Amino acid sequence: GAGVSQTPSNKVTEKGKYVELRCDPISGHTALYWYRQSLGQGPEFLIYFQGTGAADDSGLPNDRFFAVRPEGSVSTLKIQRTERGDSAVYLCASSDFQGATQYFGPGTRLTVL
Amino acid sequence: ILNVEQSPQSLHVQEGDSTNFTCSFPSSNFYALHWYRWETAKSPEALFVMTLNGDEKKKGRISATLNTKEGYSYLYIKGSQPEDSATYLCAWGTYKYIFGTGTRLKVLA
Repeated sequence: GAGVSQTPSNKVTEKGKYVELRCDPISGHTALYWYRQSLGQGPEFLIYFQGTGAADDSGLPNDRFFAVRPEGSVSTLKIQRTERGDSAVYLCASSDFQGATQYFGPGTRLTVL
Repeated sequence: ILNVEQSPQSLHVQEGDSTNFTCSFPSSNFYALHWYRWETAKSPEALFVMTLNGDEKKKGRISATLNTKEGYSYLYIKGSQPEDSATYLCAWGTYKYIFGTGTRLKVLA
């Protein structure tokens, strides 16, 4: 079956701009996660959705970052007033319940110039 | 601060060599340890989930062991092939994974 997909695969933007990153989870998976991998680091947790609600957003670095999952399927990560330090690979994962193995998408590479 | 560490950071081996690398994690409040293989431009692929002390899992030429009391897991690759070249990540935790920085493996033909 189809895995987790993410669009776009690459995004280049200018400092100060707004970006949206999209994640399509595996069909039927109720749990969805966002991670960010900066250069030389392992992926770091950003936010976890159970259904439509953000069950844990403790990893969001500041209020410029926001994520939604309005219908409990597709999720969008939104970054306002991008900064050069936001450049990273943003990974999305889904699982069929909390605590189950997470299946990852290929990531979106964000570059802020 | 909870920390997951992997070693070595990178590794070059010849085709046919066997190799292994380490993941160290907090031994308290253990829930699960996951291994992933991440090839460039692809999605990280789940290899193993390990939950019990002494667990040993195998998938083809790749196997992993788990010691929750001392907080480490080993990943072994027997008879490495060029297609094994990837970054191997371990992740500790329940739903909020804490990842190591990965071991980058390059298998030379």
